[in-house]
Amino acid sequence: QVQLQESGPGLVKPSQTLSLTCIVSGDSISSGDYYWTWIRQHPGKGLEWIGYIFFSGSTFYNPSLESRLTISVDTSKNQFSLKLSSVTAADTAVYYCARDGGGGYNKLDYWGQGTLVTVSS
Amino acid sequence: QSALTQPASVSGSPGQSITISCTGTSSDVGGYNYVSWYQQHPGKAPKLMIYDVSNRPSGVSNRFSGSKSGNTASLTISGLQAEDEADYYCSSYMSSTTVLFGGGTKVTV
Repeated sequence: QVQLQESGPGLVKPSQTLSLTCIVSGDSISSGDYYWTWIRQHPGKGLEWIGYIFFSGSTFYNPSLESRLTISVDTSKNQFSLKLSSVTAADTAVYYCARDGGGGYNKLDYWGQGTLVTVSS
Repeated sequence: QSALTQPASVSGSPGQSITISCTGTSSDVGGYNYVSWYQQHPGKAPKLMIYDVSNRPSGVSNRFSGSKSGNTASLTISGLQAEDEADYYCSSYMSSTTVLFGGGTKVTV
């Protein structure tokens, strides 16, 4: 049973960097079959694709976030991470990690439960 | 990149069928057969219901079906049940290797 679990601070100050980690169990990131994805959902709003990473480290980002975004992978710990710099209140959202089982072609078959990150001083 | 266009809400009675549309462009929905649909209940993570336009993951009821014509994809829920009441999001792979979501549709039974 594949499980994903997000972890990280629930409160980040404006202009600082938001950092989250997604721990994967029941599957190996190193298997090379999947893309590991971050998605967010602003309060009461729709979903926004943030970006994904392959086990090799290849990344693909949402162009609207690319200048502030870094997604990385640690295969030894079977986890991947998100860093979003210079955050503002507009970055307040529930952040989900997910597995793209469709080779990066938009088949998010396993999701974490999500973690709320609030940007506030 | 603008979100894919979905109706804000759709409603139906138990046992009826409803269809949710998802309109994009030739750069996303119309250009690739990589449209997915997700169901989200309040406070829960989204759940994959349809991928590659019309494929159902194992365990998803065959009451859910997907299709596409041109730049518009559709999700049909037949035999509507109370448990189907949720938000539904379409998404599409698009050029430049990114993924775009729709604004979401609230289904009321």
